[in-house]
Amino acid sequence: GQQVMQIPQYQHVQEGEDFTTYCNSSTTLSNIQWYKQRPGGHPVFLIQLVKSGEVKKQKRLTFQFGEAKKNSSLHITATQTTDVGTYFCAGVGIYNQGGKLIFGQGTELSVKP
Amino acid sequence: DGGITQSPKYLFRKEGQNVTLSCEQNLNHDAMYWYRQDPGQGLRLIYYSQIVNDFQKGDIAEGYSVSREKKESFPLTVTSAQKNPTAFYLCASRREYSNQPQHFGDGTRLSIL
Repeated sequence: GQQVMQIPQYQHVQEGEDFTTYCNSSTTLSNIQWYKQRPGGHPVFLIQLVKSGEVKKQKRLTFQFGEAKKNSSLHITATQTTDVGTYFCAGVGIYNQGGKLIFGQGTELSVKP
Repeated sequence: DGGITQSPKYLFRKEGQNVTLSCEQNLNHDAMYWYRQDPGQGLRLIYYSQIVNDFQKGDIAEGYSVSREKKESFPLTVTSAQKNPTAFYLCASRREYSNQPQHFGDGTRLSIL
């Protein structure tokens, strides 16, 4: 079945350092979504990428969707303590049924002040 | 997300007992989803429903049951057949037939006594 792999599983950075998490799907995706889950909280939608090669920015966050629509990345510039949490990518397959999302395992980011 | 309410926040199950987790949404969303979250494994889909009186199994449906008698409600029953029920359970909803993201409730944390 369709799988979405996400690396790294954990990332510890010093405040001010950059951070990147990578997502790779076993099949071509219709779109990919990114969510952030704070400790003890629930996933909150960040952004959706639909087009091949698409790049979107939200302040210090940059999201990319690969040309083949099978991989994606999230880059955070100059991390802050408010960035702490687990970042999930979630893909929607091109033969999707019911809007099912296939989630990556998540990257847990910790930021040392 | 304020439009999806999960209850209870914490739940304890005894051996051989069925328990039901509540999920209610007032977003007028067509599709609803149940996920299970274990540490380091991301979110795994248990069941989903695209329309009232219809639902489909996700990737880990064994030991769980659902109903969708009303558009607003999608309760999940964790049966005694689920031998390892300790997890964080998340309910989500989405406007169907669109590329809209999923909105999550605050979750229910289930533990075994």
